Amino acid sequence: IAGITQAPTSQILAAGRRMTLRCTQDMRHNAMYWYRQDLGLGLRLIHYSNTAGTTGKGEVPDGYSVSRANTDDFPLTLASAVPSQTSVYFCASSDGIQGNEQFFGPGTRLTVL
Amino acid sequence: GQNIDQPTEMTATEGAIVQINCTYQTSGFNGLFWYQQHAGEAPTFLSYNVLDGLEEKGRFSSFLSRSKGYSYLLLKELQMKDSASYLCAVMDSNYQLIWGAGTKLIIKP
Repeated sequence: IAGITQAPTSQILAAGRRMTLRCTQDMRHNAMYWYRQDLGLGLRLIHYSNTAGTTGKGEVPDGYSVSRANTDDFPLTLASAVPSQTSVYFCASSDGIQGNEQFFGPGTRLTVL
Repeated sequence: GQNIDQPTEMTATEGAIVQINCTYQTSGFNGLFWYQQHAGEAPTFLSYNVLDGLEEKGRFSSFLSRSKGYSYLLLKELQMKDSASYLCAVMDSNYQLIWGAGTKLIIKP
C-alpha cells in the first residue's frame, strides 16, 4: 500500500441498509478525516480523529459513526442509509493537524436508493 | 457563519495566465490551502499560505492577504492538463478545513 486506500470504489445501497466504508493509510499519520463531496458544494467534514483512540464530530455528522482503533484504519459506518447520503466520500489523513496538508484517498461513490 | 467564496467556473487559453480568487470569512485563521481536483479523482495539495504575501512553486503561485480575507492562485503557462477544479480551503480556529465549492477551470487550445 502507498498512501491511502478506500473500499469499495463504488456501491449502490438500498435505503435502510447498514454500510461501512473502509479507509486505510500506511503513512503513520496521526490525524484522519471523512468528507463528503456533493455537486455545487465544498467538501464537508463528517467526522475526524486527531489520534488513535479519539474521534470528533465535523460539520455533518448525523447518520454517520466512526471508530479509530489503531493508527492505520478509520472506517465510516452508515447505520441506516437514506437517499440524502448519496455522495462521494473521501477519506484523508495528515501528519498532525496544524497547517499540515491532507492526503486524500481515491473516494467511494455511494448511491442510496 | 463561515464562508468561502470562489468563482464557479473560469475559461482560459493554453499558454496564458489565469488568476483564481478566493475570499473567506471564518472563525479564526490557521492558514489557507489550495488543492487541485481532476474530474473523478481525489483532491491533491498545491499550496499553503499562513503569512501575507506570495508563495511561488513552479508555474503555480498563491497569494494571501489576511486583513482582506483574500487569496488567489495564479497559474502561468497554462497546459491542457491544468483543466481541473481548484479548491480553496481555510483552516479555522479548531484546525478544521472549511472548503469552498471549487472553481472549474476550462483550458481551450
